[in-house]
Amino acid sequence: QQKVQQSPESLTVSEGAMASLNCTFSDGTSNNFRWYRQHSAKGLEVLVSIFSDGEKEEGRFTAHLNRANLHVSLHIREPQPSDSAVYLCAVCGGSNYKLTFGKGTLLTVTP
Amino acid sequence: GPKVLQIPSHQIIDMGQMVTLNCDPVSNHLYFYWYKQILGQQMEFLVNFYNGKVMEKSKLFKDQFSVERPDGSYFTLKIQPTALEDSAVYFCASSHGTGSNTGQLYFGEGSKLTVL
Repeated sequence: QQKVQQSPESLTVSEGAMASLNCTFSDGTSNNFRWYRQHSAKGLEVLVSIFSDGEKEEGRFTAHLNRANLHVSLHIREPQPSDSAVYLCAVCGGSNYKLTFGKGTLLTVTP
Repeated sequence: GPKVLQIPSHQIIDMGQMVTLNCDPVSNHLYFYWYKQILGQQMEFLVNFYNGKVMEKSKLFKDQFSVERPDGSYFTLKIQPTALEDSAVYFCASSHGTGSNTGQLYFGEGSKLTVL
């Protein structure tokens, strides 16, 4: 059964400094990786999806995937206080619709 | 971006009662999902639904749970009867397909269910 773990549990960065979030997964056959964020009491906002090893950029958000190391990361360039939210890593296995989520990283961006 | 709407946003009911959570998916989407998130825990897959049928369900999708989308209206999750452990936020999602490009899930804001 797929296990997805995120680190750190919480992260505080200053406005403008790069924020880096980590996610490890257990199933090496996983083929679809997504980062979402969730503002308090709101739905999930998709940030970036990545399907092959390497890098995928969507605006200020960049995902890095290394399937051999069972690791996917998210880097947020020039974070703003409005980026403060819970960031969720989600991994798809053989069936693309079944996402396994991590517990999330609470990001706080201070002015 | 595409919006998934969920009604109600919050419902409080007594244990043993029936509850129906409603989801209005993105208009041209064909695949529908429910996820459950207990406070402080990970979001977990419950079920997905396509062409009028459940395609896959997890062990969290108990016999008391059912889903349907009658005549293209709301996609619903019904729990009958409810139990205390059903208290959670239930997220609906939809996607156009299941491939890498078309399988992007769009989530609603969740329906918080409190069972007393």
